[in-house]
Amino acid sequence: EAQVTQNPRYLITVTGKKLTVTCSQNMNHEYMSWYRQDPGLGLRQIYYSMNVEVTDKGDVPEGYKVSRKEKRNFPLILESPSPNQTSLYFCASRTGVANEKLFFGSGTQLSVL
Amino acid sequence: AQSVTQLGSHVSVSEGALVLLRCNYSSSVPPYLFWYVQYPNQGLQLLLKYTTGATLVKGINGFEAEFKKSETSFHLTKPSAHMSDAAEYFCAVSDTGRRALTFGSGTRLQVQP
Repeated sequence: EAQVTQNPRYLITVTGKKLTVTCSQNMNHEYMSWYRQDPGLGLRQIYYSMNVEVTDKGDVPEGYKVSRKEKRNFPLILESPSPNQTSLYFCASRTGVANEKLFFGSGTQLSVL
Repeated sequence: AQSVTQLGSHVSVSEGALVLLRCNYSSSVPPYLFWYVQYPNQGLQLLLKYTTGATLVKGINGFEAEFKKSETSFHLTKPSAHMSDAAEYFCAVSDTGRRALTFGSGTRLQVQP
């Protein structure tokens, strides 16, 4: 089954404790992206990757890191989380063609205390 | 820079009534336009998309949207609402480089029995 898998589904942590949210897709997609969803703000893009070893900043990249060492994986790293990073995070992927649909993961609800 | 404005963060309709969700965009080049739907505790799913060609686009679950260049609009409609349509709907536009997808802030649709 074609899918984007995110882990964990829920995460509670404390300020400053490094964490990684994993994302994996099994569709051989070139493009992968991370979004955060906040009430009233919709989805805002954090980082995206057009292919292996190619990443670029989205609209809200501060406080986040990503890497794309393999085509299927695109982890999101918070080196020193802060409470303003409490949010619902989504990973998404698609082919390299921009008018194709995005496939979304089920989301990761992060709370930073 | 591109942007999307969705008028009305909450829309409530009766079952069987017309659904109209509004979306206006700004883009410096001909856009790709999308509507995504998010059911509770799930990721987003593509409803429909406009790339080129016919300006009236039909999607899944009886939804359709019309691209109106002169009005920079891409409103979503459905002739008769069903209880299962209750969800959050996001309009999105692709950027000039066809890389990032910019989402609106979302409209929550409530369907009353």
